[in-house]
Amino acid sequence: DGGITQSPKYLFRKEGQNVTLSCEQNLNHDAMYWYRQDPGQGLRLIYYSQIVNDFQKGDIAEGYSVSREKKESFPLTVTSAQKNPTAFYLCASSIGRLAGNNEQFFGPGTRLTVL
Amino acid sequence: GNSVTQMEGPVTLSEEAFLTINCTYTATGYPSLFWYVQYPGEGLQLLLKATKADDKGSNKGFEATYRKETTSFHLEKGSVQVSDSAVYFCALSDPQIFGQNFVFGPGTRLSVLP
Repeated sequence: DGGITQSPKYLFRKEGQNVTLSCEQNLNHDAMYWYRQDPGQGLRLIYYSQIVNDFQKGDIAEGYSVSREKKESFPLTVTSAQKNPTAFYLCASSIGRLAGNNEQFFGPGTRLTVL
Repeated sequence: GNSVTQMEGPVTLSEEAFLTINCTYTATGYPSLFWYVQYPGEGLQLLLKATKADDKGSNKGFEATYRKETTSFHLEKGSVQVSDSAVYFCALSDPQIFGQNFVFGPGTRLSVLP
């Protein structure tokens, strides 16, 4: 089955530690996205990538970093510079910029808790 | 810039009641419109979409019609079930914008009571 996987489902880290969240897709999509969701809130865009080896900052990129070395993978690192990292993180993908009217497909999310 | 506005929640209904969740948008071009649903602790799932004016998207008893004249895409269902309890997000995708062209509304939480 094609889709997006995120691992792990739940992640606990101590304050001051960097942590990397995994996102993999086998949909052959060019574009991938990372969103943050706080309790009872909507989605905020962290980073997005429209093609391999290229990515752009979203609305709340400070304290986060990403890489896009492979088409199917878009890992997100939450660094110690992120002041309030506890949140639900969602990864998404879409066909890409040449098909503007296309939906985003979402993974199941990773809930990060910093102790 | 582009934006999506949704009615504030939470919305609480009894089972078998009629549901409407309002969504209006602002866009410079001719966007596609979407409704996503998020169940507790899960990612978002596409519920329905419409790509041009007067199109009606439908799925699982939910419907929404793309109204260009009122810039709206209201979600409706004739008879809700307890299992419909979730958060609903309206969204648009604008092909005239290069780069990140997807905009989500803030979400509306629906609770359906038995």
